[in-house]
Amino acid sequence: DTEVTQTPKHLVMGMTNKKSLKCEQHMGHRAMYWYKQKAKKPPELMFVYSYEKLSINESVPSRFSPECPNSSLLNLHLHALQPEDSALYLCASSQVSGYGEKLFFGSGTQLSVL
Amino acid sequence: GENVEQHPSTLSVQEGDSAVIKCTYSDSASNYFPWYKQELGKRPQLIIDIRSNVGEKKDQRIAVTLNKTAKHFSLHITETQPEDSAVYFCAAGGFKTIFGAGTRLFVKA
Repeated sequence: DTEVTQTPKHLVMGMTNKKSLKCEQHMGHRAMYWYKQKAKKPPELMFVYSYEKLSINESVPSRFSPECPNSSLLNLHLHALQPEDSALYLCASSQVSGYGEKLFFGSGTQLSVL
Repeated sequence: GENVEQHPSTLSVQEGDSAVIKCTYSDSASNYFPWYKQELGKRPQLIIDIRSNVGEKKDQRIAVTLNKTAKHFSLHITETQPEDSAVYFCAAGGFKTIFGAGTRLFVKA
């Protein structure tokens, strides 16, 4: 299995809602990532987990809260988002982090904040 | 931090022609240079990569060259086909992977 699976594929939420994005991989990768991608822009790194520990937080607002329950799962909890947070949220995984590794991306969650 | 610049932002070629996309990076500690292809509405997918101890790598119609001294790397696609039409992102990695702004490639049949 060489897939990274993300759910849901689409999400519409209000600014007062709480929702979660989920990501799963079964490739035995020990690094998992959240990227944010706006239309016609490159993926922008948000968080990196290495061996289930948060190793990089790119100064992301606290309304985004990542969680790595185990080596196969990665969540992104969303609370009190703003309309400008609307974007494609991509999860990725790699064998390890820190040494320049091939990223396997999920298909993403298209998030709209109303 | 690392900064990756990518040119051109848009490239239009005739089917069968070659396409070249160029990138520069700022952090001399970067040691891994992947290229990702993203078709409309799909995930980015790695098409080729090169590490800092190699100057050139080829995979069928795709090749990547790296000049570590000048901090330049380039993607070359030969005999382009309409299905090559997509957005291509270069990236520089080490501790973390940073993407260039992307090149939208159009291959006209």
